Amino acid sequence: NAGVMQNPRHLVRRRGQEARLRCSPMKGHSHVYWYRQLPEEGLKFMVYLQKENIIDESGMPKERFSAEFPKEGPSILRIQQVVRGDSAAYFCASSTEYAYNEQFFGPGTRLTVL
Amino acid sequence: AQSVTQPDIHITVSEGASLELRCNYSYGATPYLFWYVQSPGQGLQLLLKYFSGDTLVQGIKGFEAEFKRSQSSFNLRKPSVHWSDAAEYFCAGRPNDGTASKLTFGTGTRLQVTL
Repeated sequence: NAGVMQNPRHLVRRRGQEARLRCSPMKGHSHVYWYRQLPEEGLKFMVYLQKENIIDESGMPKERFSAEFPKEGPSILRIQQVVRGDSAAYFCASSTEYAYNEQFFGPGTRLTVL
Repeated sequence: AQSVTQPDIHITVSEGASLELRCNYSYGATPYLFWYVQSPGQGLQLLLKYFSGDTLVQGIKGFEAEFKRSQSSFNLRKPSVHWSDAAEYFCAGRPNDGTASKLTFGTGTRLQVTL
């Protein structure tokens, strides 16, 4: 059973470009979470999705950031018009819908904005 | 507001020595609590979790943690540290409300192991 998969592992963008980060949850998992880790900091929650639904986006910046988890295919975190401050590691986690199950993390995508 | 605090940013221990990493939480009710480990450039691996019941929780790689309600703490321990334990350790919590929900992380403790 493959774990949580994220691609690309490393992404370099110039200021003003768009960044698309993909996350495929573990088999059987219907919940996806995105977290951001800024250099020398802990992980901060961004958004929590189920298939075709955003459940909690309280950690998402109000502009330029969006996320989706379509019926088919991976979850996508999209950052438009990237700025240097967006440089960070973005981690995806997945879980089942059961409260007693933990979140499993992917290896992360390290975004560098030049 | 819900929060998780790790007071120690950086800890250095000698190989073979014992280890304790501190974690305090602030939630309205006892949360679910977790310890994760992150090696450089890697994702997070779950070491152990506390949901309810026995307050001493055993995890992987010889780690254990003790939940203390009176101190709002969930400290991670290991009797004898190995050089391969050098990594960043994160304590995390989420509400005990019967639903799947987001994790709140502490800022992490970086463990250095000297030979």
